[in-house]
Parts: sequence; C-alpha cells; structure tokens
Amino acid sequence: QSALTQPPSASGSPGQSVTISCSGISRDLDGYNYVSWYQHHPGKAPKLIVFEVYRRPSGVPDRFSGSRSGNTASLTVSGLQAEDEGVYYCSSYGSLSRFEVVFGGGTKLTVL
Amino acid sequence: QVQLNQWGAGLLKPSETLSLTCTVSGAYSGVRYWSWIRQPPGKGLEWIGDISQSGLANYNVSLKTRVTFSIYTSTSQFSLTLTSVTAADTAVYYCATFDKGAFYFDSWGQGTPVTVSS
Repeated sequence: QSALTQPPSASGSPGQSVTISCSGISRDLDGYNYVSWYQHHPGKAPKLIVFEVYRRPSGVPDRFSGSRSGNTASLTVSGLQAEDEGVYYCSSYGSLSRFEVVFGGGTKLTVL
Repeated sequence: QVQLNQWGAGLLKPSETLSLTCTVSGAYSGVRYWSWIRQPPGKGLEWIGDISQSGLANYNVSLKTRVTFSIYTSTSQFSLTLTSVTAADTAVYYCATFDKGAFYFDSWGQGTPVTVSS
C-alpha cells in the first residue's frame, strides 16, 4: 500500500484537461511544498515534470501544471495530446521522516 | 545535462545477492544525492534509498537489513547491493539523482530489469 493515494486511472479526449489528485502529503516546516510529479512511459525511465508543487523543469510544456490544497496535491494536464498517455506518479517525503521518500501508487492516464 | 548509465546482473536465484552500479556523467548544479528506486511488475515506484557524496546513506526501512549503498567519487559511480533476494525483489531497478533540498529526482538511469527465479 502506497503512502500517497492516487486514483488508479484517468482519461480524457485530445484537447481536454484532466486533473490527477495525490492525497496524504505530509506537512513540513514550510508547509506541504515538497511534491513532485513524474511521467512514466512503458520501457522508459520516469521523467520529472513538476517539482515543489508547481515548478516545471526546463523543457516541460506549460500544459502541465501542479497545485495543492492542504495535504492534497494535483497535477492538471491541459490540451491533452496522444503522447501524454502514460502513468503519472506523485512523490513527497514520508510521514515519519524527512529523510524518507514516498510515491503514490500511480495513475494511468489514457488519451481517448 | 546529467546522464546516468547503470548495469548489473539481471537474473538471480533466491538467496543470492543483487549488485547494480550506476555511473553519473555531465554537469549539474547544487547538491545531489544518488538514489535507487525500483518498480515491481504491475506495481508502482518504490524508493530504496539514497546516499550523499560523503557516503551518508538513508534506506527504506522495509529493506534496511538487506541493502547497502556504496559511492566511488573518483569514478562518479555508486552501487546498490541487496542480499538474500527473493521473488519479491523482482523489479526494474533505476538509479537517479536526487535534489535533497527540494525533494525531487531530476535525472534517471535507463533501468535494469532484475528477475529472481529458481
């Protein structure tokens, strides 16, 4: 059982927006700010798409946006494209230790 | 751009020891920890642990008694050793660089499939 809870699946048609939730984020001294999201395509390495809740690494389209409300973080993919299909994982630190990393169970995003 | 290249044995028998090595190349800014993550078949990602460049390691408590990380700064390599493997350790293993301050993995290795079977 994952420490962070994600819905197992999500879907949308090309051009639509989809939001994936991630609950169970632990609170740090700075609040719930250390949340990252990864896109994983089968047979490839996971790719960082969002860090510190809403920041995007260079090269990640602004169609990907992150947010949070309390102990729940969300990833929104706008203007869905076929290549967005894959599994998305959220990650943060564990509830018992700032030194522990936990992942959500993953959400399979299907572009219809 | 940081690149990670990993290698190691992909087929083990129960009770054997899993050994994987990862080489880091390229330039990066800030402090990075070197990490290992795995994905069992049909399951999600599982953090195994990380090690600083000074050799300070943190391990997943569920694996702590069987896992050891080593780092070789002169060759920019770090390794994972997991003893007494069972079928439950069958997974794709990834090495990654970890920004400890902002808590994210920014570069990943290509993954090494490891199967434990008698």
